[in-house]
Amino acid sequence: KQEVTQIPAALSVPEGENLVLNCSFTDSAIYNLQWFRQDPGKGLTSLLLIQSSQREQTSGRLNASLDKSSGRSTLYIAASQPGDSATYLCAVSGTSYDKVIFGPGTSLSVIP
Amino acid sequence: DTEVTQTPKHLVMGMTNKKSLKCEQHMGHRAMYWYKQKAKKPPELMFVYSYEKLSINESVPSRFSPECPNSSLLNLHLHALQPEDSALYLCASSQVEAGEECEQYFGPGTRLTVT
Repeated sequence: KQEVTQIPAALSVPEGENLVLNCSFTDSAIYNLQWFRQDPGKGLTSLLLIQSSQREQTSGRLNASLDKSSGRSTLYIAASQPGDSATYLCAVSGTSYDKVIFGPGTSLSVIP
Repeated sequence: DTEVTQTPKHLVMGMTNKKSLKCEQHMGHRAMYWYKQKAKKPPELMFVYSYEKLSINESVPSRFSPECPNSSLLNLHLHALQPEDSALYLCASSQVEAGEECEQYFGPGTRLTVT
């Protein structure tokens, strides 16, 4: 059974710092991995999608990497801003299209 | 248009009521999803429709009944719910290519309270 974990559970950094969020999964047989952000009480906003054949994806200040063999993905946020404060979730799609498992999330707070 | 819309935004219902949640997308996506999210927890997948084929999560009680009238619409019918069903219900959609779903787009959710 696929299990997804995220470290750290919470993170507080001063504005301008670069930071790394981690996502680990137990079953490397995945179709893709997606990173989302969620503001309190809101829906999820897609940040980056990495297909199983890819190693990384970049969008603006965000860079996500994927290492299937070790069951890890990292989300790198450059030059953090207070507007980046949110919960960041990773989700893996497993061997069947209906097997989508989310990690518990990392709560990020960027202090001005 | 990359928007998934959900109605209503908030819903309060008694345990004997019957209500429905609605979700709509016009991105031409062929997969649509219902998730349940409790406070401080990640979303949990409930149902998936892909090319009108339903995939049911075994742990979802029968008091939740999904319906997909067409490829743009997804409903979740609610009947005889329990207070523990109170949660944020999220709808999502994605394209399907070569049998694999792609990037998921989420709606804003319906905040459901069962009294």
